Amino acid sequence: EAGVAQSPRYKIIEKRQSVAFWCNPISGHATLYWYQQILGQGPKLLIQFQNNGVVDDSQLPKDRFSAERLKGVDSTLKIQPAKLEDSAVYLCASSSQRDNYEQYFGPGTRLTVT
Amino acid sequence: GNSVTQMEGPVTLSEEAFLTINCTYTATGYPSLFWYVQYPGEGLQLLLKATKADDKGSNKGFEATYRKETTSFHLEKGSVQVSDSAVYFCALRSSIQGAQKLVFGQGTRLTINP
Repeated sequence: EAGVAQSPRYKIIEKRQSVAFWCNPISGHATLYWYQQILGQGPKLLIQFQNNGVVDDSQLPKDRFSAERLKGVDSTLKIQPAKLEDSAVYLCASSSQRDNYEQYFGPGTRLTVT
Repeated sequence: GNSVTQMEGPVTLSEEAFLTINCTYTATGYPSLFWYVQYPGEGLQLLLKATKADDKGSNKGFEATYRKETTSFHLEKGSVQVSDSAVYFCALRSSIQGAQKLVFGQGTRLTINP
């Protein structure tokens, strides 16, 4: 079974530019998560989707971050405009009820904002 | 709100030493508890879990027991190997309004010297 796929793996941008990350969850997983992991910290949940609906986006900085999962499969996370403090690894995870909601993580995208 | 506090790192041990990484939590209700591991350059992987008080999770020689009375979930291994070098994250999962939310500790970097 293929795992969670993410791209790109690395991205370097200047502040005030925009950037987008892509995630393809494990086939059949209805729930998809985006996390932000700042260096030296644990991952922090940004947004959770159930199929194509948002379940929790309470920690998403909505003035600059947006995410969508239009067809209930792939998802994109966008930052516009980026700030220096957005430098982090962005992790995507997916889960399903059949696996007792165990979350499977992708390799992450490392973003550096200069 | 829910939170997880981990023993601060980094931790450096010699091969075959005994390992303990402390983890305590604050939560309402009855969360599930997890240890995740992140090897260099890779995504988070579930190491072990426990879903109720007094449960013991185990995997790859690692163990942790869910202690409700002390709100702890300490990770232990009797004899570590160089290949155990990684960052370890303690996490709890609670169900809030239908969302299965993972809250992570800050991570503990473990280095094992031959």
